[in-house]
Amino acid sequence: NAGVTQTPKFQVLKTGQSMTLQCAQDMNHNSMYWYRQDPGMGLRLIYYSASEGTTDKGEVPNGYNVSRLNKREFSLRLESAAPSQTSVYFCASSQGGRIMFFGPGTRLTVL
Amino acid sequence: KQEVTQIPAALSVPEGENLVLNCSFTDSAIYNLQWFRQDPGKGLTSLLLIQSSQREQTSGRLNASLDKSSGRSTLYIAASQPGDSATYLCAVEDSSNTGKLIFGQGTTLQVKP
Repeated sequence: NAGVTQTPKFQVLKTGQSMTLQCAQDMNHNSMYWYRQDPGMGLRLIYYSASEGTTDKGEVPNGYNVSRLNKREFSLRLESAAPSQTSVYFCASSQGGRIMFFGPGTRLTVL
Repeated sequence: KQEVTQIPAALSVPEGENLVLNCSFTDSAIYNLQWFRQDPGKGLTSLLLIQSSQREQTSGRLNASLDKSSGRSTLYIAASQPGDSATYLCAVEDSSNTGKLIFGQGTTLQVKP
């Protein structure tokens, strides 16, 4: 089992560019999440998907969109990147109140 | 709004010492609480999960306790080792059972040989 995988691992964007962060899990989990981690702010939830076909906003959704492509995949899109979106992005998955599994993260810099 | 606080923010101890990390939360209506470990530049790994009906969980040298009524959890690490050096985060899932976790900012632990 690979667990939760994320691509890319690193990305540098210019202000205004767009990109999609990819996430996949092979544990047959219903729920998937996108968090961002910033120094001094901890981890904050951007969007989540409680089950295939549903998505909901988290604490900091502005500037992002998500797609739950199927049960395995949950992507995060930045339509017009801003320097404030420089962060480390983590995808995670879980099943029914059990432990949450995290991917290795994507380190994004927006210039 | 649920808030999770971890004290201290950083801790440095000599190898072999027993230590306690603290986590507090403002709303006692939680579904469960998890402790995670994060190594530099890596993702998070779940260490222990305590359901709201439980008082503690143990895994090897780690023991986590939960007191919902007072809004507190502790992570006890016995006989610390240099390999325990990492950031430890606690997170609570609220009673809505959506799986969403609210994280504390973590305690960065350094265990000196």
